[in-house]
Amino acid sequence: QVQLVQSGAEVKKPGASVKVSCKASGYTFTGYYMHWVRQAPGQGLEWMGRINPNSGGTNYAQKFQGRVTMTRDTSISTAYMELSRLRSDDTAVYYCARDGVYGDYVGWYFDLWGRGTLVTVSS
Amino acid sequence: QSALTQPASVSGSPGQSITISCTGTSSDVGSYNLVSWYQQHPGKAPKLMIYEVSKRPSGVSNRFSGSKSGNTASLTISGLQAEDEADYYCCSYAGSSTFGGVFGGGTKLTVL
Repeated sequence: QVQLVQSGAEVKKPGASVKVSCKASGYTFTGYYMHWVRQAPGQGLEWMGRINPNSGGTNYAQKFQGRVTMTRDTSISTAYMELSRLRSDDTAVYYCARDGVYGDYVGWYFDLWGRGTLVTVSS
Repeated sequence: QSALTQPASVSGSPGQSITISCTGTSSDVGSYNLVSWYQQHPGKAPKLMIYEVSKRPSGVSNRFSGSKSGNTASLTISGLQAEDEADYYCCSYAGSSTFGGVFGGGTKLTVL
């Protein structure tokens, strides 16, 4: 079954870091870019960045540069997104989403989504 | 990069057609045929409805169609059904200067 399974909800204090995992199954993990998208409560979707699971190469949205790190472990077909120096406005559901194109080309559409991980930042 | 502009809400009666617009700039929507559309029901993950401006993934109803003119992309839903009531988001590649993507603010579709 082709799916992305994300880690469970997290509660963090301001200034802390959070690391969300996204385990892929049913397809060749290294064949598709993985994107991370977040959605604050009642708000729209926001693209955070992407990782090439084959090479480990990353590109981050300017807004998150310096605070976000995307990595992967190909041995367990899992992508990770770590966000540091958390603030209250980082409270959101974080989604991993597979790019729709196989190979080194980024298609810029997301055809498979995880169910999301709620990260709550509160003192 | 700035978010793409979508109307906050649209509505229509069952059987009617509606169109949701998504306005960007010459740096994103206007320069690339890499616009996609997503449907999101409350509490659920987004679902891909249209990619590369007008292509429909397997399994998506042909009542959904996409187009683009200049810096504005559009999603049209014909023969509205109750289950189409959801939030809809557009997304575009934002260019090599950013190597990033940008979403619209989302449109709430109400089926009257």
